[in-house]
Amino acid sequence: QQKVQQSPESLSVPEGGMASLNCTSSDRNFQYFWWYRQHSGEGPKALMSIFSDGDKKEGRFTAHLNKASLHVSLHIRDSQPSDSALYFCAASDWAQGLTFGLGTRVSVFP
Amino acid sequence: EAAVTQSPRNKVAVTGGKVTLSCNQTNNHNNMYWYRQDTGHGLRLIHYSYGAGSTEKGDIPDGYKASRPSQENFSLILELATPSQTSVYFCASGEGDNEQFFGPGTRLTVL
Repeated sequence: QQKVQQSPESLSVPEGGMASLNCTSSDRNFQYFWWYRQHSGEGPKALMSIFSDGDKKEGRFTAHLNKASLHVSLHIRDSQPSDSALYFCAASDWAQGLTFGLGTRVSVFP
Repeated sequence: EAAVTQSPRNKVAVTGGKVTLSCNQTNNHNNMYWYRQDTGHGLRLIHYSYGAGSTEKGDIPDGYKASRPSQENFSLILELATPSQTSVYFCASGEGDNEQFFGPGTRLTVL
């Protein structure tokens, strides 16, 4: 069973709209959560991390963590064409690397 | 900004052949990682290292070996390549729970 599960698999958002991505972990050893973004043909690049309950905002991106339910979300406000990419949720227990979800493909249309 | 480079960027190998993928980082990070990316499986950790001379098994190490001869270099070795190892391989460097910096990837095709 996937330890980090993401939904939806894909998402279409109008330019200027809000995109909401979800991530749930089944392993309580995970203490830190990351959101990575991968454009086609490139390696993943970190967007932001979150490890405290509540919201964390960085520009147009807001992450929310509920530690009790191990649920993390990412909200992209005022979506731009450059936001079209594959978004990964990743969880870390420090001991070994990151455990990634399968990703959510976001497409921003004009 | 952190820099992680990989070589080669593309590789075609024959079944049973030996393949070496190389990774170099200029961030002076202690930790380095090898992942593979496949549709339907996301990114999966193959091997990782805490520093020169150390290698550790990740989630899917079977069929792969790793070598960390220096702080900067981390190699992934496929001694007997199989078609199931056709994938895109990413190297990354980082420290603890801090951000991992990924290279551009190597696309490997095993015929």
